[in-house]
Amino acid sequence: AQKVTQAQTEISVVEKEDVTLDCVYETRDTTYYLFWYKQPPSGELVFLIRRNSFDEQNEISGRYSWNFQKSTSSFNFTITASQVVDSAVYFCALSEPYTGTASKLTFGTGTRLQVTL
Amino acid sequence: EPEVTQTPSHQVTQMGQEVILRCVPISNHLYFYWYRQILGQKVEFLVSFYNNEISEKSEIFDDQFSVERPDGSNFTLKIRSTKLEDSAMYFCACRGKGTDTQYFGPGTRLTVL
Repeated sequence: AQKVTQAQTEISVVEKEDVTLDCVYETRDTTYYLFWYKQPPSGELVFLIRRNSFDEQNEISGRYSWNFQKSTSSFNFTITASQVVDSAVYFCALSEPYTGTASKLTFGTGTRLQVTL
Repeated sequence: EPEVTQTPSHQVTQMGQEVILRCVPISNHLYFYWYRQILGQKVEFLVSFYNNEISEKSEIFDDQFSVERPDGSNFTLKIRSTKLEDSAMYFCACRGKGTDTQYFGPGTRLTVL
């Protein structure tokens, strides 16, 4: 069975601080995909990034960066110079390999990030 | 940019009533999903649908739930006899062939009184 753990339930930072959101996953699959989604106060789920299990290269996109470490089964997400608009709940998710049939996402419990002035 | 739409945004119903939640997925996507999120909790998988049939369903998706793609564009979730515990945000998602990212709609908040 797949499992995603986000141990941080809530983080509060002051604007311009860097913040890292942790995600640890469990799976027996050798091929899988990892995702981060953002849920702002308006409620929708916004896709941020996906990583497949073959690609451990870290990625930076503007103020966002992701650190995927297969050895520790972690896929952490860092926001540099946080802004108030980053305030949201962030979900890490894990997917089975897409073998031709639809494969579900298993979500973590989310980390609520509050960025204040 | 193509997006997933869901209607209604908020549905209030009485316990025991039937509700139908509607989704219009991205037009060339082939895999469809419903998830739900009870307030303040994580997003949970309900069902996946491909080639006009259910691919997988969770234990939450019991006989009270059904899905349908009635006309090639809409994707619906029906709850036959709603219970108080069905109150949640319901998200539709879709994925294109050969891709690995699911795109979510804005959700329908269902309130069962």
